[in-house]
Amino acid sequence: GESVGLHLPTLSVQEGDNSIINCAYSNSASDYFIWYKQESGKGPQFIIDIRSNMDKRQGQRVTVLLNKTVKHLSLQIAATQPGDSAVYFCAEIRNSGGYQKVTFGIGTKLQVIP
Amino acid sequence: ETGVTQSPTHLIKTRGQQVTLRCSSQSGHNTVSWYQQALGQGPQFIFQYYREEENGRGNFPPRFSGLQFPNYSSELNVNALELDDSALYLCASSFSRLFYNEQFFGPGTRLTVL
Repeated sequence: GESVGLHLPTLSVQEGDNSIINCAYSNSASDYFIWYKQESGKGPQFIIDIRSNMDKRQGQRVTVLLNKTVKHLSLQIAATQPGDSAVYFCAEIRNSGGYQKVTFGIGTKLQVIP
Repeated sequence: ETGVTQSPTHLIKTRGQQVTLRCSSQSGHNTVSWYQQALGQGPQFIFQYYREEENGRGNFPPRFSGLQFPNYSSELNVNALELDDSALYLCASSFSRLFYNEQFFGPGTRLTVL
């Protein structure tokens, strides 16, 4: 299948441990953020989102934290499983000229060690 | 319900040629967005089509063009191919032009320009 993580930062985590993936975003005008998971040979898949008026949002086994002061986003995965192995991207969305613009980060490859 | 499909899966072209990539959106979706993903990078937004009209464009030259058909399927056309156009091309469909609403990605078309 396709490999999208050849030159990406890599995080190796033991199965069952918690994972924290970080993302620095670029534009203080961004008002919505999304985390995506991309497995080899597949397109990105939505995991969780957060609006800029929030600083934390929880899903099933995942939590996103937003720090607007330092323009930082993190994704926490609890009890990491082998199926979590993938490349994770953050995306920021902002309004510009009557349209919305979406910008993806470079991604982090998560390797889960059984 | 059929997910987002793309064709072809792989394609090899030479510099200067033209290419057309195709995307079938998920049932009920009226919006298609196209992205270019270079190896080891996050997806870059090319443009979006909403109800057959272009609705926002990223920093890509005019030789990248598109179409959306009445059934909301879409084409991405790239003229005068350059070596740097080698990438995975992703399309994503949604039921709204706003990125606040979940996009569903296809598996992508891998384009190699020689």
